[in-house]
Amino acid sequence: DVKVTQSSRYLVKRTGEKVFLECVQDMDHENMFWYRQDPGLGLRLIYFSYDVKMKEKGDIPEGYSVSREKKERFSLILESASTNQTSMYLCASWTPELGELFFGEGSRLTVL
Amino acid sequence: AQSVSQHNHHVILSEAASLELGCNYSYGGTVNLFWYVQYPGQHLQLLLKYFSGDPLVKGIKGFEAEFIKSKFSFNLRKPSVQWSDTAEYFCAVNPHGTYKYIFGTGTRLKVLA
Repeated sequence: DVKVTQSSRYLVKRTGEKVFLECVQDMDHENMFWYRQDPGLGLRLIYFSYDVKMKEKGDIPEGYSVSREKKERFSLILESASTNQTSMYLCASWTPELGELFFGEGSRLTVL
Repeated sequence: AQSVSQHNHHVILSEAASLELGCNYSYGGTVNLFWYVQYPGQHLQLLLKYFSGDPLVKGIKGFEAEFIKSKFSFNLRKPSVQWSDTAEYFCAVNPHGTYKYIFGTGTRLKVLA
């Protein structure tokens, strides 16, 4: 089974702090995603990475950056957290051969 | 713009009732279709998927969905729900040849014991 592990399930940060959300997958997938999940809005794509050091902006990249130094690890960075970034963040990995997204358990971030 | 509509935001059913959750999408090309489920406190997981072939697909836990191309719909069904089906359900569309997944806004299902 594919396993996608997000290092932090719950975080509380203050406005202006730098936040790192880490995600590791164990299936050697080239493609990894960061989504944001908000009630009534579904999942919205923040960033996508299709290879080490390669990334593409998703639908809502403002205020976020990402890092993919190793194939198995994809990090989401909030350079200066703001209260409107309070949300659930979901990491996923994907291979076209299977076609489905494999999700981590999510990181619930609260920015005060 | 591409979009996915889930018309039911909240559904409450009694155990043994039948379930149908609607999903419509707007995209003119070929798509892969998915239903994901998120049980309380758990990660999103795949219920079922459609890529091609028989438009009636069966998934885990007795769920099925029917792709009606002419209606751009992919409705989820279960003949008899259980309390354990209480969860949030997301429909998603993936246009062929892309990495893009467009998710609906989700339907929260509560099944009363």
